[in-house]
Amino acid sequence: KAGVTQTPRYLIKTRGQQVTLSCSPISGHRSVSWYQQTPGQGLQFLFEYFSETQRNKGNFPGRFSGRQFSNSRSEMNVSTLELGDSALYLCASSLGTGGQETQYFGPGTRLLVL
Amino acid sequence: GQQLNQSPQSMFIQEGEDVSMNCTSSSIFNTWLWYKQEPGEGPVLLIALYKAGELTSNGRLTAQFGITRKDSFLNISASIPSDVGIYFCAGPGGTSYGKLTFGQGTILTVHP
Repeated sequence: KAGVTQTPRYLIKTRGQQVTLSCSPISGHRSVSWYQQTPGQGLQFLFEYFSETQRNKGNFPGRFSGRQFSNSRSEMNVSTLELGDSALYLCASSLGTGGQETQYFGPGTRLLVL
Repeated sequence: GQQLNQSPQSMFIQEGEDVSMNCTSSSIFNTWLWYKQEPGEGPVLLIALYKAGELTSNGRLTAQFGITRKDSFLNISASIPSDVGIYFCAGPGGTSYGKLTFGQGTILTVHP
């Protein structure tokens, strides 16, 4: 079974631009969670989608948004990029039901904002 | 909110030595997950624990779910150079969908 895939793997943007990252979950997984990882803050939860609905959201500004499609693929968007948005963005998929939320991570998208 | 305290923050060991790291929580967890992350990659799931007292092995790795449900530990036996990386404990945030809370990570360096 193929793992979680994320595209692109690397991205360089300038302040003020916007960016869209993509995540394809493991086949059969309906939940996709997004995290931001930085050296100073560690892994921080952005949001989670299940069956095209956002079920949970972390403490990030509204510039961070996401969506999920009917095939469970998910995208996250960051608008008006700031230098501090430079990070590794990780998505993780899980079944999303049954109470055991074991998550499997993709390789991440490394975003550099200049 | 929930917090996970992971220790030690870093370890420098010789190849062949055993390693032990642990995580404690301020609240009860129903699941404990242990991940390993290598530079530039996403965390890879090593072991998942679902029941208090559970002891699970994966090759040279052994992890236990504490009886109080507020702690877990991970042991690596006979370490090898490819064990190098950052190890994270994590657990789901109660009824909070899709959100894992992570420990700060343990950076493991293995000298040949």
